[in-house]
Amino acid sequence: AQSVAQPEDQVNVAEGNPLTVKCTYSVSGNPYLFWYVQYPNRGLQFLLKYITGDNLVKGSYGFEAEFNKSQTSFHLKKPSALVSDSALYFCAVRDWYGGSQGNLIFGKGTKLSVKP
Amino acid sequence: EAQVTQNPRYLITVTGKKLTVTCSQNMNHEYMSWYRQDPGLGLRQIYYSMNVEVTDKGDVPEGYKVSRKEKRNFPLILESPSPNQTSLYFCASSLYSRGAESSYNEQFFGPGTRLTVL
Repeated sequence: AQSVAQPEDQVNVAEGNPLTVKCTYSVSGNPYLFWYVQYPNRGLQFLLKYITGDNLVKGSYGFEAEFNKSQTSFHLKKPSALVSDSALYFCAVRDWYGGSQGNLIFGKGTKLSVKP
Repeated sequence: EAQVTQNPRYLITVTGKKLTVTCSQNMNHEYMSWYRQDPGLGLRQIYYSMNVEVTDKGDVPEGYKVSRKEKRNFPLILESPSPNQTSLYFCASSLYSRGAESSYNEQFFGPGTRLTVL
């Protein structure tokens, strides 16, 4: 069965410092990986996705994520954090096996807090 | 503007009183889904639909019903709400096809419905 783990409930970063939000996954077939962000009182917004190809994926708002197949990880990164990046971040995975699409499975979320 | 809308945004009700949360998308998406979000549990899928008249259970379907009579609408029905259904609910939609490429279509989410069952 497919699963996603976000090992940190909260990540605290000072503005201007690099940030990393961790995600590891488990799937039966080929993984399709996503990051979503949820700002307070808002729905989830798509940030970026990994399908195939280059292991470094660039997305919205200056975020990027690195796919590592051997470590089954898909960590979200940003070189310089902004206070406005403070939000709840969700990693999600969907796999494709046996000719059918699995459902999208979400991690429990990581709260990112960026202090001035 | 491409969007997923949900109504109501906030609802307080009492145990046993039937309610419906509407969801509508204007992107002509085949796939629609309902999730509930609870602290420490992330998002869990309730029901999903791959097209009109095609629905299936997600991970936590007990106590919920859905219907998909039109492509744009996917209402969530709670026939007899209970306090353990107090949660934040999200509707989402995406493109869908039979091929593998459908697996990497991102989902578009509505703004959420905060439901309290007393």
